[in-house]
Amino acid sequence: DQQVKQNSPSLSVQEGRISILNCDYTNSMFDYFLWYKKYPAEGPTFLISISSIKDKNEDGRFTVFLNKSAKHLSLHIVPSQPGDSAVYFCAASEWSSASKIIFGSGTRLSIRP
Amino acid sequence: GAGVSQSPSNKVTEKGKDVELRCDPISGHTALYWYRQRLGQGLEFLIYFQGNSAPDKSGLPSDRFSAERTGESVSTLTIQRTQQEDSAVYLCASSLPGGGTRGYTFGSGTRLTVV
Repeated sequence: DQQVKQNSPSLSVQEGRISILNCDYTNSMFDYFLWYKKYPAEGPTFLISISSIKDKNEDGRFTVFLNKSAKHLSLHIVPSQPGDSAVYFCAASEWSSASKIIFGSGTRLSIRP
Repeated sequence: GAGVSQSPSNKVTEKGKDVELRCDPISGHTALYWYRQRLGQGLEFLIYFQGNSAPDKSGLPSDRFSAERTGESVSTLTIQRTQQEDSAVYLCASSLPGGGTRGYTFGSGTRLTVV
């Protein structure tokens, strides 16, 4: 039973354009959401997060949007750069109860010149 | 240390042998997690330690898998009688209680190959 779903295993975007990565979740108890980025042979690294009390959080080129009614979140990267090529994991937790983070299966983003 | 350290970085073992993977968390991080990533798949939760509380073992796939942690320090993940389906990257992460607002800090992982 996948509680966090990333339905697109891969995405290719031209350099300079917007990358949009999508994520859906099923557990209505999740109240904290995170995106991680992973390069080959490295562990995932934290990118950006959002609490369920917000619907948007922005950090430089990265913005996460949360739609609680649809149980959907997305990560926007603008403008996309070659170094953004990586696997992106969506993750969620019941932060208020200090539970473990549940990860999606990841989306491989490729930025083409 | 400055980051989460895992050893070995790579391990090749014969089917049926036991393996032990080690994780050194960030000093002061009371929570420690083990995940694994099989080829082409996402991060699969294995086990979670939080301070002196009983660990959350709900993700361990079989009784061949076990993990220990002494206090808030090193953790070892042991896989007995390894099988080919155990081949994966085993990732350890640590965090402040509950994950904090930045979630976990991951190590670089141990790539286990069972031949």
